[in-house]
Amino acid sequence: DADVTQTPRNRITKTGKRIMLECSQTKGHDRMYWYRQDPGLGLRLIYYSFDVKDINKGEISDGYSVSRQAQAKFSLSLESAIPNQTALYFCATMKPGLAGVDEQFFGPGTRLTVL
Amino acid sequence: GENVEQHPSTLSVQEGDSAVIKCTYSDSASNYFPWYKQELGKRPQLIIDIRSNVGEKKDQRIAVTLNKTAKHFSLHITETQPEDSAVYFCAASIGSSASKIIFGSGTRLSIRP
Repeated sequence: DADVTQTPRNRITKTGKRIMLECSQTKGHDRMYWYRQDPGLGLRLIYYSFDVKDINKGEISDGYSVSRQAQAKFSLSLESAIPNQTALYFCATMKPGLAGVDEQFFGPGTRLTVL
Repeated sequence: GENVEQHPSTLSVQEGDSAVIKCTYSDSASNYFPWYKQELGKRPQLIIDIRSNVGEKKDQRIAVTLNKTAKHFSLHITETQPEDSAVYFCAASIGSSASKIIFGSGTRLSIRP
């Protein structure tokens, strides 16, 4: 089955370290998104991309950067991790339909802890 | 900026009763309103969605209503069952190009036996 995968699934790191979260998809979707989930705050959009040459900031992009290496791969980087970036991170994909927007498909999530 | 507000944050209902979750949005250009269900330890999954040209949509025990004038939409679950226990998120597309999807803060629904 076509799917969205994320690596690593769990990561513990220290303040100031650089870390990369990776997302891959075999759905053939053009649009990819990174969200973070915190208790009581829902899913907040960090970055999104419509193709390799199109990267856009979301609601909370400060402290994060992304790279769209190919249609199937979208990586999220924390250049210098800080404790308040401890969260559950989700990658999602979308194949926009005729109406321009449609269902998002989420990866399994990466639980990141910054000590 | 654009936002989606969701209420209540927690909801407990007796099995067999109905549950209603409400959301409001700020962007008048929003035209797509999905609802996602997230079971414990799992990824969010779409359960129903509605577009701005429709006022109501139903799928078995789940229904969604949309009031574009008031900028609010609601999820209705009837005849609740234990497997309905989860966190539910509403969301809305942002902008006329619908480039972003913004989520509400979530509702934790518990079904009492």
